[in-house]
Amino acid sequence: QLQLQESGPGLVKPSETLSLTCTVSGGSISSNSHYWGWIRQPPGKGLEWIESIYYSGSTYNNPSLKSRVTMSVDTSKNQFSLKLSSVTAADTAVYYCVRHGAAPAPTQYYFDYWGQGTLVTVSS
Amino acid sequence: QSALTQPASVSGSPGQSITISCTGTSSDVGGYKYVSWYQQHPGKAPKLMIYEVSNRPSGVSNRFSGSKSGNTASLTISGLQAEDEADYYCSSYTSSSTLVIFGGGTKLTVL
Repeated sequence: QLQLQESGPGLVKPSETLSLTCTVSGGSISSNSHYWGWIRQPPGKGLEWIESIYYSGSTYNNPSLKSRVTMSVDTSKNQFSLKLSSVTAADTAVYYCVRHGAAPAPTQYYFDYWGQGTLVTVSS
Repeated sequence: QSALTQPASVSGSPGQSITISCTGTSSDVGGYKYVSWYQQHPGKAPKLMIYEVSNRPSGVSNRFSGSKSGNTASLTISGLQAEDEADYYCSSYTSSSTLVIFGGGTKLTVL
């Protein structure tokens, strides 16, 4: 059974960089059929897709966050990571790592596996 | 990119059926068959319930069904059960450069 697990600091200071890692178990991140991504959810609010990465390093990104987001993948550790720079209180959210399909399949448009989520608070 | 529009809340009694709507535009919901629905219980990660408008992943109860008409997609839950009480989010592919957008979520209360 595929499992995703987020890890990283739960508290980040304003203007600093938020860094999270997702460890994938029960399957290979080097699958040619899937992308790996991040979705966030501010407390009491809805979901926002952030960015996704393929094992080769190619990415899909959300234009509203693109300039602040960097994703990377480490196939040797079966992990992928998120960095979000210049954070503000508005970036306080539960961050989920997710899996979705790769183009051209329609599976690219929905997220079938999710991590449990990790709360990141931006505060001084 | 604006979020898809969902009602903030819906309610129903056990055994009844309810429908949650998700309204977008011709650039997302109305233009493509790539609408999905997620169920989220408090403190838990969302769970995929419907994909490509009306398909259920393996293991999801057939009490959950999806449909679409024009720019509005719908999730129907029949034979409501207490365990269905949760937040529900719709999502759609969008022809903007964003991959997908989500609705604001609907809180389902089972009376």
